[in-house]
Amino acid sequence: QQQVKQSPQSLIVQKGGISIINCAYENTAFDYFPWYQQFPGKGPALLIAIRPDVSEKKEGRFTISFNKSAKQFSLHIMDSQPGDSATYFCAATGANNLFFGTGTRLTVIP
Amino acid sequence: DAEITQSPRHKITETGRQVTLACHQTWNHNNMFWYRQDLGHGLRLIHYSYGVQDTNKGEVSDGYSVSRSNTEDLPLTLESAASSQTSVYFCASSRDSNHEQYFGPGTRLTVT
Repeated sequence: QQQVKQSPQSLIVQKGGISIINCAYENTAFDYFPWYQQFPGKGPALLIAIRPDVSEKKEGRFTISFNKSAKQFSLHIMDSQPGDSATYFCAATGANNLFFGTGTRLTVIP
Repeated sequence: DAEITQSPRHKITETGRQVTLACHQTWNHNNMFWYRQDLGHGLRLIHYSYGVQDTNKGEVSDGYSVSRSNTEDLPLTLESAASSQTSVYFCASSRDSNHEQYFGPGTRLTVT
């Protein structure tokens, strides 16, 4: 059973546009929600993370929106650039484990 | 600079053989993890360790084992490789929690 559900599976955005990736979870014990970015041939790298006591966190062009009541969180990439083309994973921490979504392959077209 | 390395980067083996994938980190992190990455499944936890002599099973541990004899290394062993274990394997480490894991570059394993 997938602990964290992620959508869409793939996303194509024009340069300068907004990329939005959504995730949902069921376990209310999760207490930390990171997003990882992975380039081809590389390991995932932490991009940005949020805890459930805040509704939004922004770092540069990347923003996490968190809706605790709906058990959903999303990643927004503003002014998307070709260099943002990568696979993005949402995740949630609970029960001493980190559960990952299935990933979204983002392609930003110049 | 501190880092996490994996070896080999690519491995082809035959069904039934024992295979060991190495993971070495120089951050002195207590926690280390092994994941496998497959299309449509994302990253799934195989085994993890919170310190020397500590090992725990993850979501997909069947057919895999780990041992932690020092802080720096967590080798992953496939006792009898199966075609279903063809995957990309990532090792990760973190300082003192499941937060902010740092991943290695991965090992692509093919079982023929």
